[in-house]
Amino acid sequence: GAGVSQSPSNKVTEKGKDVELRCDPISGHTALYWYRQSLGQGLEFLIYFQGNSAPDKSGLPSDRFSAERTGGSVSTLTIQRTQQEDSAVYLCASRWTGNNEQFFGPGTRLTVL
Amino acid sequence: AQSVSQHNHHVILSEAASLELGCNYSYGGTVNLFWYVQYPGQHLQLLLKYFSGDPLVKGIKGFEAEFIKSKFSFNLRKPSVQWSDTAEYFCAVKNNQGGKLIFGQGTELSVKP
Repeated sequence: GAGVSQSPSNKVTEKGKDVELRCDPISGHTALYWYRQSLGQGLEFLIYFQGNSAPDKSGLPSDRFSAERTGGSVSTLTIQRTQQEDSAVYLCASRWTGNNEQFFGPGTRLTVL
Repeated sequence: AQSVSQHNHHVILSEAASLELGCNYSYGGTVNLFWYVQYPGQHLQLLLKYFSGDPLVKGIKGFEAEFIKSKFSFNLRKPSVQWSDTAEYFCAVKNNQGGKLIFGQGTELSVKP
């Protein structure tokens, strides 16, 4: 597809379960970002991947959050032992190296019961 | 640390009214500034961006923004809003280390027909 895609679009889980959220960036984009959009917190940066460099994990809120990017393309954000405060929309964005514009996906709405 | 402040949480206007949304950032170095828009049920989309040069930047759908370095501001303007401009607007500054975006809290704009 032409844009960033994310799956699932909605995820409802029970407290304490693990979840995986997927992001397919735009083909050829070397930089990939995860953000979280929640009520009261706005849009927060979580993690950033650039090529083969070590990821910038400075925005991850706790060690229950992790992400990987396989083959420089698809990324998976994993949240272990989910808590109710993890409920949010998780957004992925990608960027081509020679451009400062980030293109956002539609997000995954996570609800933790 | 970099931060972005948007002064208005919710703005309500009638069609044809003029719009100005405030945005202030805290960062003393070179800045790249952005306004993103999120229409109901849609992705975040880039409205306009400033990197260098002319401080008056024109974007899509008749929006413009002015970078005033002395005021650390990047306010968004539109001379005459339409009902279709109803959306949430986010101001962001790009972090020079890795390019993550630091977002303001967002301003919800409601335009009455």
